[in-house]
Amino acid sequence: DSGVTQTPKHLITATGQRVTLRCSPRSGDLSVYWYQQSLDQGLQFLIQYYNGEERAKGNILERFSAQQFPDLHSELNLSSLELGDSALYFCASSVTGMGTEAFFGQGTRLTVV
Amino acid sequence: TQLLEQSPQFLSIQEGENLTVYCNSSSVFSSLQWDRQEPGEGPVLLVTVVTGGEVKKLKRLTFQFGDARKDSSLHITAAQPGDTGLYLCVSGGTSYGKLTFGQGTILTVHP
Repeated sequence: DSGVTQTPKHLITATGQRVTLRCSPRSGDLSVYWYQQSLDQGLQFLIQYYNGEERAKGNILERFSAQQFPDLHSELNLSSLELGDSALYFCASSVTGMGTEAFFGQGTRLTVV
Repeated sequence: TQLLEQSPQFLSIQEGENLTVYCNSSSVFSSLQWDRQEPGEGPVLLVTVVTGGEVKKLKRLTFQFGDARKDSSLHITAAQPGDTGLYLCVSGGTSYGKLTFGQGTILTVHP
């Protein structure tokens, strides 16, 4: 158990819908990363937060948004969903967000039908 | 931007054999972690190396960090089918931003 909790584990929704994925970092970790992993692909960086503030952005679509709350949990919002958004979404947390080890959650498997 | 070169990309071996996976960087690592990922699961941290020349052991797994902190290796002794999975070297970098991943090594250990 990495200490990073992601909910839900599985999500099935229709095209055009909106979903919210939740991540609770390890106790004491201030930074949260979001990654997308499509079938047989590597981990694609979406966005990073540190202590409530956005610190880095990757190839995150405009239909996607995220935030980190004062209690340090983070949410990834995906809207106007398309079939191609079906993937595993992982969050990771680390203490400082740079140069320190990162711990991954078990992921949320999103299926868009 | 730091690049991580991981090799080999694929390894298919018999149970009981030894193997080594390498991770090389274009620049000095601040720290490096090795993760193992199974299909449909999140990467699981195996070990983090920070100090040049550091050697860490985790049962049959030995991790080395190069003296110059630009390379690392993972050695598995007497591999078992349960070692099968994707092994990733991962660097956190020296500034905010994405984690940097090696390309991964897909290890298959046949009984």
